[in-house]
Amino acid sequence: DAMVIQNPRYQVTQFGKPVTLSCSQTLNHNVMYWYQQKSSQAPKLLFHYYDKDFNNEADTPDNFQSRRPNTSFCFLDIRSPGLGDAAMYLCATSRGGRGYEQYFGPGTRLTVT
Amino acid sequence: GIQVEQSPPDLILQEGANSTLRCNFSDSVNNLQWFHQNPWGQLINLFYIPSGTKQNGRLSATTVATERYSLLYISSSQTTDSGVYFCAPYMEYGNKLVFGAGTILRVKS
Repeated sequence: DAMVIQNPRYQVTQFGKPVTLSCSQTLNHNVMYWYQQKSSQAPKLLFHYYDKDFNNEADTPDNFQSRRPNTSFCFLDIRSPGLGDAAMYLCATSRGGRGYEQYFGPGTRLTVT
Repeated sequence: GIQVEQSPPDLILQEGANSTLRCNFSDSVNNLQWFHQNPWGQLINLFYIPSGTKQNGRLSATTVATERYSLLYISSSQTTDSGVYFCAPYMEYGNKLVFGAGTILRVKS
């Protein structure tokens, strides 16, 4: 089945220690998104790639970076995690253009100690 | 920016009961998705519905874009329906879903 895969499902990192979360997709979609979801809140878009074009949300902290080496993979790098970065991180994909349906992966739950 | 309001914020149902969740949005949208977030945190796509009515088993959704609202109907609820339901209209400008705050549903057996 075509799907969106996230690894790892659970990640524990130390305060200030860089961490990378991974997302891959078999849907061959043009657009890949990263969302952050804190407890009891709605998902919040951090940034997205449309093919190789990176689009950052205005309020995404500089501490968050992303890489998309090819169509199938996208990475979220947190350069110096703080306690406030503990959250669920959700990857999603969609076909290109406006208004296409987004499909979400199972998420990575990040704990910062 | 677009405002999305979901109601009710919390809902407790007895198994077998029906319910209607509402989503109001403040601006024109290209499209709209309904999601169910399960206890493990995964967002499950329920409906992709710019207008009209769609049905999938015990669930159905109706979007009236001209009046800027969407409804999600759950019939004969089951305990597995518990979780958070999010409405997310797609902003007309930009490649972006805007999530409502969600409705927390608890179905008791």
